[in-house]
Amino acid sequence: EAGVAQSPRYKIIEKRQSVAFWCNPISGHATLYWYQQILGQGPKLLIQFQNNGVVDDSQLPKDRFSAERLKGVDSTLKIQPAKLEDSAVYLCASSLSGGSTDTQYFGPGTRLTVL
Amino acid sequence: GDSVTQMEGPVTLSEEAFLTINCTYTATGYPSLFWYVQYPGEGLQLLLKATKADDKGSNKGFEATYRKETTSFHLEKGSVQVSDSAVYFCALMPGGGADGLTFGKGTHLIIQP
Repeated sequence: EAGVAQSPRYKIIEKRQSVAFWCNPISGHATLYWYQQILGQGPKLLIQFQNNGVVDDSQLPKDRFSAERLKGVDSTLKIQPAKLEDSAVYLCASSLSGGSTDTQYFGPGTRLTVL
Repeated sequence: GDSVTQMEGPVTLSEEAFLTINCTYTATGYPSLFWYVQYPGEGLQLLLKATKADDKGSNKGFEATYRKETTSFHLEKGSVQVSDSAVYFCALMPGGGADGLTFGKGTHLIIQP
């Protein structure tokens, strides 16, 4: 079974530029998550989708971050404009139904460096 | 809000030593508890989980017991190997399922031959 796919794996941009990340979850998984992991810290949830609807985006900085999951499968996360403090690894995860006992499967992440 | 606290690293042990990584949590209701591991150069992967009080999760020789009375989920292994060197994250998922996982800061484990 294929795992969660993410691209690109690495991205370097200047501050104030825009960037987009792509995620393809495990086939059949209804729930998709985006996390931000700053160096030396645990991942922090940015947004959770159930199919193509947003369940929780309370920690998403909506003035610069946006995310969508059209057709309930792939998802993109965008940052515009980027700030230095956005340098982090962006992780995508998926689970079968989003229940509290479900296992979340993580992709390899996209490492973003903002100069 | 919910939070997870785990022991600071790095933790350095010799091969075949006994391992304990402490994890305590704060949450309302009845969360599920998880340990994830990140090996060098790899992504996060589930190590074990427990979904209700007194449950014991186990995998690859690692164990953790969900202790509601002490709000803890300590990770243990009787005899560590060099290949166990990694960063270990304790995490919780609220009982309702929404809000995603809340992670601790991670503990870097280094096993020396």
